[in-house]
Amino acid sequence: AQKVTQAQTEISVVEKEDVTLDCVYETRDTTYYLFWYKQPPSGELVFLIRRNSFDEQNEISGRYSWNFQKSTSSFNFTITASQVVDSAVYFCALGDSSGSARQLTFGSGTQLTVLP
Amino acid sequence: DGGITQSPKYLFRKEGQNVTLSCEQNLNHDAMYWYRQDPGQGLRLIYYSQIVNDFQKGDIAEGYSVSREKKESFPLTVTSAQKNPTAFYLCASSLDRANTEAFFGQGTRLTVV
Repeated sequence: AQKVTQAQTEISVVEKEDVTLDCVYETRDTTYYLFWYKQPPSGELVFLIRRNSFDEQNEISGRYSWNFQKSTSSFNFTITASQVVDSAVYFCALGDSSGSARQLTFGSGTQLTVLP
Repeated sequence: DGGITQSPKYLFRKEGQNVTLSCEQNLNHDAMYWYRQDPGQGLRLIYYSQIVNDFQKGDIAEGYSVSREKKESFPLTVTSAQKNPTAFYLCASSLDRANTEAFFGQGTRLTVV
């Protein structure tokens, strides 16, 4: 069975602080996919990143960076110099070896509040 | 603009009534999905469809029904058999192949009164 744990239910930071959102996953598959989605107050989930299990390189996209470590089954997400617009619920998700979106297991989400 | 449109945004239902949530996409995606989101929980898959006229149950299909008569449309009916229907419902679509992400609509918040 697959499982995703986002232990941080809520995080509050002051604007310009860095913040890291944790994601720990469990799977027996050797091939799997990891995703991060952002859910702003408007409700829709916005895709941020997809990473397959064979690619452990960290990725940086502007103020966002992701640290994938298979040894600890973690796929953490860091926002550098946070902004008020970053306030949202962030979901980590795990896809099975099919890579298909129908087999996604979502974590319970982390509510990030960035205060001005 | 390409995307997924869900309607209505807010929906109120009396107990014992069926209600249908609309989902339309113009992304030319083969696969479509319905998820349910409850406060403090992740998304749970209700139903999904990979092609027209075919759909499969997800993890929590009881009390729900769907149809897929057109590629663009995947309506969800919340029946009176669903014991706790108050929730936020999200529709999504994707290419039906490996290593792909899903695109989501803005959701419908259903409240039973």
